[in-house]
Amino acid sequence: GDSVTQMEGPVTLSEEAFLTINCTYTATGYPSLFWYVQYPGEGLQLLLKATKADDKGSNKGFEATYRKETTSFHLEKGSVQVSDSAVYFCALRGLMYNTDKLIFGTGTRLQVFP
Amino acid sequence: NAGVTQTPKFRVLKTGQSMTLLCAQDMNHEYMYWYRQDPGMGLRLIHYSVGEGTTAKGEVPDGYNVSRLKKQNFLLGLESAAPSQTSVYFCASRSSGGRKETQYFGPGTRLLVL
Repeated sequence: GDSVTQMEGPVTLSEEAFLTINCTYTATGYPSLFWYVQYPGEGLQLLLKATKADDKGSNKGFEATYRKETTSFHLEKGSVQVSDSAVYFCALRGLMYNTDKLIFGTGTRLQVFP
Repeated sequence: NAGVTQTPKFRVLKTGQSMTLLCAQDMNHEYMYWYRQDPGMGLRLIHYSVGEGTTAKGEVPDGYNVSRLKKQNFLLGLESAAPSQTSVYFCASRSSGGRKETQYFGPGTRLLVL
């Protein structure tokens, strides 16, 4: 079945460091791919998405490119801030009987220190 | 526009007790979902609804029931709580504008079953 694998955390960085969080997927067809972010004590928020191969999603300085050939959707940011500390979830949109469903990775905790 | 809200925020139950979690959305969304979030497992779909008066099972439906009597509300019930149902529960909703539409999440309900 469809699945998402993302790197285990926590990822600990100093402010202004470069961030990469790896995400790979297994799916039939051409699923849409997402990154969600969960700040402490809050629900998940959509960070960015890409709906077809070679699309680049971007938001708040974060980017991810949908790579069909490597089945990857790695999250990157050139210069992280303390306020980026959160848990990041990679997800794909799979198909169910009469709707879709999001299939999530296990999440990667990012800790950014001043 | 409050988005997706969940009630209560936190609850402690004893084994065998029952309770209902309420999800409400004010975006006129057709689709609603209940997920549970457990450490190291990402989010898993419990039940979902594609419209008022409809419900369907997700990946982990056992021990839960749901109802969608009104379009804006999606209730998740635990008839006889078990310690394995200790988790954080998230509700989500989306519009019916095609499968590329984004799911919007509530802030979550933390449930502890003793």
